[in-house]
Amino acid sequence: KQEVTQIPAALSVPEGENLVLNCSFTDSAIYNLQWFRQDPGKGLTSLLLIQSSQREQTSGRLNASLDKSSGRSTLYIAASQPGDSATYLCAVGTGNQFYFGTGTSLTVIP
Amino acid sequence: GAVVSQHPSRVICKSGTSVKIECRSLDFQATTMFWYRQFPKKSLMLMATSNEGSKATYEQGVEKDKFLINHASLTLSTLTVTSAHPEDSSFYICSAPISGQGRKLFFGSGTQLSVL
Repeated sequence: KQEVTQIPAALSVPEGENLVLNCSFTDSAIYNLQWFRQDPGKGLTSLLLIQSSQREQTSGRLNASLDKSSGRSTLYIAASQPGDSATYLCAVGTGNQFYFGTGTSLTVIP
Repeated sequence: GAVVSQHPSRVICKSGTSVKIECRSLDFQATTMFWYRQFPKKSLMLMATSNEGSKATYEQGVEKDKFLINHASLTLSTLTVTSAHPEDSSFYICSAPISGQGRKLFFGSGTQLSVL
């Protein structure tokens, strides 16, 4: 069974810093990997989707990379802002199932 | 973009009552809908997978008679928490993948259930 882990569990950074969130998975036979953001008491908002054949995706200040062979993905956030404070989850898609990481709670301090 | 509309966003009910949560795909057909439960500061726990026109597949440990899932159309899936008790209080959220978008997952906004 696919296991997805996110490190760190929590991260606090000053505004303006660049940061990296990590996601690792145990089975490299994936279909895709998706990064989400969740604000307290809200649903999940999709940030970036990487297909298994892709190495990275970019959207604005966000860049997600995928290394299937090592079972890793990173989400890079440039020039962090207080509005980036949220929980970030990665989800690995395999077949008809999706496996979620434990999340990283990010706090950006003004 | 695709939207999954989930209602209600919040419900408070007395112990013993049943609560229905709806998830609608507004501009796409959702042949599959995932239902999750989330505890405070925890990740998502998959409860069941519903497929249009067939019985839902429940995860181990999830009571089928307690959490009734119906997926009668390609745009609507419902989760009914029957005879709710305080321990059922939680955040429930649905999601659907879109095949035409590389099986991208779209989520509803979630339902906070509080059972008194």
